[in-house]
Amino acid sequence: AQSVSQHNHHVILSEAASLELGCNYSYGGTVNLFWYVQYPGQHLQLLLKYFSGDPLVKGIKGFEAEFIKSKFSFNLRKPSVQWSDTAEYFCAVRGLNQAGTALIFGKGTTLSVSS
Amino acid sequence: DAGVTQSPTHLIKTRGQQVTLRCSPISGHKSVSWYQQVLGQGPQFIFQYYEKEERGRGNFPDRFSARQFPNYSSELNVNALLLGDSALYLCASSLDTTDTQYFGPGTRLTVL
Repeated sequence: AQSVSQHNHHVILSEAASLELGCNYSYGGTVNLFWYVQYPGQHLQLLLKYFSGDPLVKGIKGFEAEFIKSKFSFNLRKPSVQWSDTAEYFCAVRGLNQAGTALIFGKGTTLSVSS
Repeated sequence: DAGVTQSPTHLIKTRGQQVTLRCSPISGHKSVSWYQQVLGQGPQFIFQYYEKEERGRGNFPDRFSARQFPNYSSELNVNALLLGDSALYLCASSLDTTDTQYFGPGTRLTVL
């Protein structure tokens, strides 16, 4: 069965610090990978996605993620965080070539940025 | 364009009751997926529908059922509610079953 592991439950940073959130998945076949963000009081929004091609993916608000197939990883990065990045971040994977196309989510990482 | 809409926003039920949650997808999207998000966890897949047919089902009991209508809107039904069914129920729509899913604001269900 597919699973997604997000290593950090709660990350606390100061503004301008660099961010890296880890995400590992277990699935041996072709995957689509996603990062979603949930700002306080708002619904889940897509940050970025990887379907194929360049493993370095750029998303909204200066976020990027790198797909490393050999490590089954899709870590999220941002060089300089802002207070407005305070939110919960979810990594999700969809395994292709199997029955069903559900998204499997990690448990989420809460990011708190202090000004 | 309007995003995914869900109704109601909040709902309070007692154990044993039944509940129906509604979802309207983004215009042009033909697939709807339902997820349950318990506090402190990531969303967990319940159902996926495409063109009115069930295309996937997660590991949920038969008390959970869903359907999709000709206009691609969808309903999620939960019978014989348990305290553990208290959660945020999310609907996501996509062009088809393999495209990016866009989420609605969710329905917060509280079972007393």
